[in-house]
Amino acid sequence: DQQVKQNSPSLSVQEGRISILNCDYTNSMFDYFLWYKKYPAEGPTFLISISSIKDKNEDGRFTVFLNKSAKHLSLHIVPSQPGDSAVYFCAAKGNTGTASKLTFGTGTRLQVTL
Amino acid sequence: EAGVVQSPRYKIIEKKQPVAFWCNPISGHNTLYWYRQNLGQGPELLIRYENEEAVDDSQLPKDRFSAERLKGVDSTLKIQPAELGDSAVYLCASSLSGTKQYFGPGTRLTVL
Repeated sequence: DQQVKQNSPSLSVQEGRISILNCDYTNSMFDYFLWYKKYPAEGPTFLISISSIKDKNEDGRFTVFLNKSAKHLSLHIVPSQPGDSAVYFCAAKGNTGTASKLTFGTGTRLQVTL
Repeated sequence: EAGVVQSPRYKIIEKKQPVAFWCNPISGHNTLYWYRQNLGQGPELLIRYENEEAVDDSQLPKDRFSAERLKGVDSTLKIQPAELGDSAVYLCASSLSGTKQYFGPGTRLTVL
């Protein structure tokens, strides 16, 4: 049972345009969400996070939006740069029970083209 | 500041052989995690340590996997005997607050 879903395995965006990566979750106990970025042969690197008490969090070119009623979050990267090409993982956790561990999606491979 | 260190980076073994992975977390991080990442999937938690105590090992296949974190710092993850299905990347992560986790580069295990 995949509790965190990233339905787009890949995305290609032109440099300078906006990249939008989507993530859906099913466990209503999740209250903290993170995005990780992964380059080949490296471990995932923390990018940005959001608590369920917020609906938006911004850090430079990266903004995460959370829609709790839809159990959906998205990562916006604007403007996209070639160095943003990587695999992006959405992750979620809650405070109790099985939700207390960090649960990852399957990742979306972003390719930023020149 | 040094990040999470893992060794070896790559390991190729034959099935039924033992294998061990080592992790040195970020200094001062009391929580340490071992994850397994299969091809095309996200990382999946195997075990979580709070200092020396394994507080969540529900996903660790205990018939062949074992882990330890002596002195609450470094940790080792062992597989004995390895099976073909164990081929994956094994990631170590550490955290201070329990929310933001910092990952090491991983060990890519290939079981032939």
